[in-house]
Amino acid sequence: AQKVTQAQTEISVVEKEDVTLDCVYETRDTTYYLFWYKQPPSGELVFLIRRNSFDEQNEISGRYSWNFQKSTSSFNFTITASQVVDSAVYFCALSVPSGSARQLTFGSGTQLTVLP
Amino acid sequence: GAVVSQHPSRVICKSGTSVKIECRSLDFQATTMFWYRQFPKQSLMLMATSNEGSKATYEQGVEKDKFLINHASLTLSTLTVTSAHPEDSSFYICSARAALAGVREQFFGPGTRLTVL
Repeated sequence: AQKVTQAQTEISVVEKEDVTLDCVYETRDTTYYLFWYKQPPSGELVFLIRRNSFDEQNEISGRYSWNFQKSTSSFNFTITASQVVDSAVYFCALSVPSGSARQLTFGSGTQLTVLP
Repeated sequence: GAVVSQHPSRVICKSGTSVKIECRSLDFQATTMFWYRQFPKQSLMLMATSNEGSKATYEQGVEKDKFLINHASLTLSTLTVTSAHPEDSSFYICSARAALAGVREQFFGPGTRLTVL
C-alpha cells in the first residue's frame, strides 16, 4: 500500500519569504511517480510537477523548486520569494504503475497562507 | 494540457433527491476516470475508479448503490448521488486518464460543490 504524509497542516509566511513544504512517502514499489498539486480557493487542482522514481535530479521552475531524496523518501517543495497569490492548499501525491488502476494517493495537504 | 470539464460546478438540492454530476474529457479519450470526494479542509479521497464499458470499482466504505457511476463512452462518466443527505455535501472531483497512457497522464476536472439541505 502507498502512503503520503504531509506533516505541516498550515504554514503562514510573510510575502517575499521562502517556504518549504514537506512530503514523505511510503511504497514498496521501485517504480513510482510523485506529484505536487496546488488547490487555490476556487477548488480546481493545478498540476505543478511530476517526478519518476528514477530521476533524482532536483528541479527548478521559476520561484518553485523540488528536492527529491530517495534515501529519506521525501519530495519537498520550496517556494522562493513567496507571493500572496501562492496562498493555497498544496497536495503531494504518489502513484505506482504496478496497480491496475494506477490511482493517485494524496497526502493530507498543507494550507499555505502568504501575508502581505 | 488536456481538458476535463465537470457539470454542474455547483448544485444545491433538498435531502432525498438525486443529483447527477458529469465529467467529460474534451480533447482526448479517457479509458479510465476517477471520482474523488473532498470534505472541507481535508484531502481528496478516492471514491471509485471507472473504466469505459465496465462496472466501476469502489473503494472500501463507499456505497455503490448510493453513488452510481456510469462510464458509457470514452469521453463521459457520470456520478449520481442517490437520495442525497446533508452528510453527502462535499466537493466532488473527477479525473481522467487518456487511453494507453501511464500514470503520468491524469487530468483533473474543476470540481462540483454539492450542498444538500
